[in-house]
Amino acid sequence: NAGVTQTPKFQVLKTGQSMTLQCAQDMNHEYMSWYRQDPGMGLRLIHYSVGAGITDQGEVPNGYNVSRSTTEDFPLRLLSAAPSQTSVYFCASAVRSSGNTIYFGEGSWLTVV
Amino acid sequence: AQSVTQLGSHVSVSEGALVLLRCNYSSSVPPYLFWYVQYPNQGLQLLLKYTSAATLVKGINGFEAEFKKSETSFHLTKPSAHMSDAAEYFCAVSEPRGSQGNLIFGKGTKLSVKP
Repeated sequence: NAGVTQTPKFQVLKTGQSMTLQCAQDMNHEYMSWYRQDPGMGLRLIHYSVGAGITDQGEVPNGYNVSRSTTEDFPLRLLSAAPSQTSVYFCASAVRSSGNTIYFGEGSWLTVV
Repeated sequence: AQSVTQLGSHVSVSEGALVLLRCNYSSSVPPYLFWYVQYPNQGLQLLLKYTSAATLVKGINGFEAEFKKSETSFHLTKPSAHMSDAAEYFCAVSEPRGSQGNLIFGKGTKLSVKP
């Protein structure tokens, strides 16, 4: 039972580089989302999706793109990395409807130098 | 707009002492409320949640929380702290309708447990 799987776990990027954080879930969840965690800030929502082909912005979407071509996958793309995007990124999924438990991946540590 | 306030970024207790982590929410309607725990270098794990059933909610690892609408609070408690409870705890809120289930998190409280 894999749950929510994120790759890579650690990544170092140079300013201006692009990359994709991968997220996959095997629970057939309609809802998926990406959060970033910064010290003293809690978790903040970047983008979310309520089903294949449907995405929407969260609180801090600038500099990130997402797509949802399948139920299982929800990649997060950094278009041109900036030091301000140094953070820990968490992917999450849930059965679609508010109040259901949201399951988190193990996190991806990203450093932009 | 919803918001969550966790009072105290760091809480330190002795092993065997009461754990009390405070969470207050701001919402126009009674929300759904969650407590998550995060151990070092790991993801978040659900401790418990309130979704308009019983106001006293029991979770895993001996934790419980009580929803108090009059105080807009959802404080997390455990009668007797264990060393393994040392972690960061996050309170989160979502609205029953229209939020798609998105969570708004507090800034977290780091719990230290002294032997």
